[in-house]
Amino acid sequence: NAGVMQNPRHLVRRRGQEARLRCSPMKGHSHVYWYRQLPEEGLKFMVYLQKENIIDESGMPKERFSAEFPKEGPSILRIQQVVRGDSAAYFCASSPLRGTNPIYNSPLHFGNGTRLTVT
Amino acid sequence: AQTVTQSQPEMSVQEAETVTLSCTYDTSESDYYLFWYKQPPSRQMILVIRQEAYKQQNATENRFSVNFQKAAKSFSLKISDSQLGDAAMYFCAYRSSGGATNKLIFGTGTLLAVQP
Repeated sequence: NAGVMQNPRHLVRRRGQEARLRCSPMKGHSHVYWYRQLPEEGLKFMVYLQKENIIDESGMPKERFSAEFPKEGPSILRIQQVVRGDSAAYFCASSPLRGTNPIYNSPLHFGNGTRLTVT
Repeated sequence: AQTVTQSQPEMSVQEAETVTLSCTYDTSESDYYLFWYKQPPSRQMILVIRQEAYKQQNATENRFSVNFQKAAKSFSLKISDSQLGDAAMYFCAYRSSGGATNKLIFGTGTLLAVQP
């Protein structure tokens, strides 16, 4: 049973380019979360998605960042016109829809992250 | 808004000894969940232990246990019989039991070194 798969593991982009980070949740999981970890800091929530819906994007920067979780295929975190300050590790997590309290009781399963370096 | 504070950026423990990592949080909610995650150099986030706020009994998982003090809003992690493989960054995290999301709020982490 594969865990949460993120790719690429490492991504190098020059300033002004676009970065696309992919996340395939665990089988049967319909909720995806994206977190960003800056150097020497903890993980910061960015966005929460269900299939074809953005539920909470309160942690997303207002510009250049977008996320989607289509009906088919992985979730994508897209960063346009990257800047050096975007350099960080980006983590995806998923959780299942389960029982009568699907949100509150299910733990998050994390991927291994994508380390983005902007040169 | 909820916050999580880990006041120990780094800790060190001798192999086979016991170490306690501190975590405090701030919330006005009465029901919530608390977690400890481990992040080894591989970067993978591994769930170590979790505690439901409505449970008075402290959670335990093998060599890992917590001291949950709800009134003091404290949630420390005790690692007994420390092993070299325990060396990692440890993050404390909070999750509300209400609202529409399942998002975790993390502390800044404690880097644990285990000395042979």
